[in-house]
Amino acid sequence: AQSVTQPDIHITVSEGASLELRCNYSYGATPYLFWYVQSPGQGLQLLLKYFSGDTLVQGIKGFEAEFKRSQSSFNLRKPSVHWSDAAEYFCAVGVYDMRFGAGTRLTVKP
Amino acid sequence: GAVVSQHPSRVICKSGTSVKIECRSLDFQATTMFWYRQFPKQSLMLMATSNEGSKATYEQGVEKDKFLINHASLTLSTLTVTSAHPEDSSFYICSARAATFYYEQYFGPGTRLTVT
Repeated sequence: AQSVTQPDIHITVSEGASLELRCNYSYGATPYLFWYVQSPGQGLQLLLKYFSGDTLVQGIKGFEAEFKRSQSSFNLRKPSVHWSDAAEYFCAVGVYDMRFGAGTRLTVKP
Repeated sequence: GAVVSQHPSRVICKSGTSVKIECRSLDFQATTMFWYRQFPKQSLMLMATSNEGSKATYEQGVEKDKFLINHASLTLSTLTVTSAHPEDSSFYICSARAATFYYEQYFGPGTRLTVT
């Protein structure tokens, strides 16, 4: 069965510092992978997705993610975090039905 | 493009009553719609999948008689929480998938249900 693990429940970074959020997946075939961001009380916003091709995916708001099949990972990165990036981040996998990780809450220190 | 709306955004109802939440795809035809539930500070849990004109498929542990899902058209799905109880209070999010982009879901903004 497909599943997603986000090992970090909560991460705190300073504004301007780099960020990496981890995501590991379990999927029988080539995975369709997604990263979403959710602000408090809001719905989900798609940051980026991977279906095939180039393993380094560029998304919105300066985010990128790298698909590593050998490590079953799809980590999200941003070179310089802004205070507005504070939110909950979800990694998801799936094609016909989507499974979400538990989420990582990002706090940004001034 | 690919906008999904939900109505209402917030609803408060009394215990024992029923409440209906609408999910609409505004600019595309959604052959499949999904309903998720999210508890505070937790992830999204898939409740059910509905295909237009068919009965919904519920995930294990979800009471289909309590959470009635109707997907009567290609742009509208409804979730009715029947005989609501305080433990049904949650954030409900729908998503929709178009026939032409079957690998991607578009999410609505969510509905906050509070049962008093």
